[in-house]
Amino acid sequence: QSALTQPASVSGSPGQSITISCAGTSSDVGAYDYVSWYQQYPGKAPQLIISEVTNRPSGVSHRFSGSKSGNTASLTISGLQAEDEADYFCSSHTSSSALLFGGGTKLTVL
Amino acid sequence: QVQLQESGPGLVKPSQTLSLTCTVSGGSISSGSYYWSWIRQPAGKGLEWIGRIHANGGTNYNPALKGRVTISVDTSMKQFSLKLSSVTAADTAVYYCARGVTILDCWGQGTLVTVSS
Repeated sequence: QSALTQPASVSGSPGQSITISCAGTSSDVGAYDYVSWYQQYPGKAPQLIISEVTNRPSGVSHRFSGSKSGNTASLTISGLQAEDEADYFCSSHTSSSALLFGGGTKLTVL
Repeated sequence: QVQLQESGPGLVKPSQTLSLTCTVSGGSISSGSYYWSWIRQPAGKGLEWIGRIHANGGTNYNPALKGRVTISVDTSMKQFSLKLSSVTAADTAVYYCARGVTILDCWGQGTLVTVSS
């Protein structure tokens, strides 16, 4: 199975909103509401920021939100802050009971 | 607060078997419906799911790695392990263990494994 498709990079200025897309197929993203998003700083382990498309774990800023339409999920970060500069990965459950990740998106805060 | 810690050799020779262990502390490895997963990340690249195991021994593996991967669990030691056979340079990566199936809510810090002679 090919990785979910994410843009390699996105950028935005402080205070702005950005959206990262995660494109899959009808066998993964489109079939299940089991899309998660992870934030990863350099040299650190990924950290869960969104689960089941829209759920924010306790402690995660309300500036992070998730959505899904068809075979594409999206992560939106509003009120961009310097600390949001990191890599972001999506993941989805698949019809073969596997877990598929996206290729990752590097967010640059200008 | 559950914590996970990977351990194992940082250098493995080509064609040999990579072996890593993840130790779970601060919580039970057998509680609830938790699965325990392995993920890897080559330098500068994305995440790749390797597989998962339940405390009862049930497993799922990445089809791309199936045949080379074995994940096992030792509930008495609160550990689960990864074995990846016939390794090549392409298996060089940071290997993470994590808790969960579709939601990986707790991760180890990761351990770098280099495949080289």
